[in-house]
Amino acid sequence: DQQVKQNSPSLSVQEGRISILNCDYTNSMFDYFLWYKKYPAEGPTFLISISSIKDKNEDGRFTVFLNKSAKHLSLHIVPSQPGDSAVYFCAARDSGTYKYIFGTGTRLKVLA
Amino acid sequence: GAGVSQSPSNKVTEKGKDVELRCDPISGHTALYWYRQRLGQGLEFLIYFQGNSAPDKSGLPSDRFSAERTGESVSTLTIQRTQQEDSAVYLCASSSQGTNTGELFFGEGSRLTVL
Repeated sequence: DQQVKQNSPSLSVQEGRISILNCDYTNSMFDYFLWYKKYPAEGPTFLISISSIKDKNEDGRFTVFLNKSAKHLSLHIVPSQPGDSAVYFCAARDSGTYKYIFGTGTRLKVLA
Repeated sequence: GAGVSQSPSNKVTEKGKDVELRCDPISGHTALYWYRQRLGQGLEFLIYFQGNSAPDKSGLPSDRFSAERTGESVSTLTIQRTQQEDSAVYLCASSSQGTNTGELFFGEGSRLTVL
């Protein structure tokens, strides 16, 4: 039972355009949603998070949107840069157990 | 150091041998997690320690896998009688329960190759 799903394994975007990465979840007990970026041979790097009591959080080029009624999370990167090319994981934290559940990742390729 | 530290960074072993992977969490972080990432796959939860509570071992794939944590510091993940399917990057992460971002801090991982 996958509680956090990233249905797009890959995404290609032209440099300067917007990248939109999506994530769906099933558990209503999640209190934080997070996005991580991962380069090969490195550990995941935290990008941005959002509390379940909010619907938007912005940090520079990165904005995360949370739609609780649809149980949907998205990450917008604008403008996209070639250095953004990496695998992006969404994650959610269970408010009762503090366990973090990760999606399977979306490989973003930003084309110069 | 200030971050999560893992060792070894790379380990090559023969099938059937035991391996130990070590994780030093960020000082003061009460929660410690182990994940595994096989080639081309997502992050698979293995085990979670929170303070002095009993660990959540629900993600351990078999009884060949075990983990310990000394108080709120170092953790060791042990894989006995390694198999080729154990080859993966093993990631350790820690977090503070009082976080206001929910951030989980990851180490660089230990890449295990079982021949």
